[in-house]
Amino acid sequence: NAGVTQTPKFQVLKTGQSMTLQCAQDMNHEYMSWYRQDPGMGLRLIHYSVGAGITDQGEVPNGYNVSRSTTEDFPLRLLSAAPSQTSVYFCASSRGTTIYFGEGSWLTVV
Amino acid sequence: AQSVTQLDSHVSVSEGTPVLLRCNYSSSYSPSLFWYVQHPNKGLQLLLKYTSAATLVKGINGFEAEFKKSETSFHLTKPSAHMSDAAEYFCVVSEGNFNKFYFGSGTKLNVKP
Repeated sequence: NAGVTQTPKFQVLKTGQSMTLQCAQDMNHEYMSWYRQDPGMGLRLIHYSVGAGITDQGEVPNGYNVSRSTTEDFPLRLLSAAPSQTSVYFCASSRGTTIYFGEGSWLTVV
Repeated sequence: AQSVTQLDSHVSVSEGTPVLLRCNYSSSYSPSLFWYVQHPNKGLQLLLKYTSAATLVKGINGFEAEFKKSETSFHLTKPSAHMSDAAEYFCVVSEGNFNKFYFGSGTKLNVKP
């Protein structure tokens, strides 16, 4: 039972590059979400999905794109990376009263 | 609208003494509340959760929290701190359908020998 799997764990990007953070869950959860964690600010919601084909914006969606073609997968795309997107990213899935987090992806944009 | 305020960004205690990490929330609904712990460079681990059952919630590793609706608080306590408790702790509130979770800014707990 893998839970929520995120890849890559570490990534360094140059400004203007694009990349995709992958997220997969094997618990058949409807709800999935992406958060970013910055010092002193807790986790902030970027985008979320309530099921395949349905996505919506969270608190800090600018510069990020998502899609949900299957229940299992919820990739996060950075279209043109900026230094302000240097952060730790967490994917999560939830059903009922519990949210399950991935291990995190440490992204540095130089 | 939901929001979470963790009243202390840093708390320092001596090993063996009690721990109190404070959390206040605002919510338009009957909230569900959670405490998560994050050790350095690690992911998030659920300590405990309140979902409208007993107001005193017991979690893992000896932690517990009490939901006080009149004070809109959900403070985390532990009778005796251990060195392994040194980490960052997050108070989290959820909307009624659990597809959005709102995090406090975190409290870093330092445990002195």
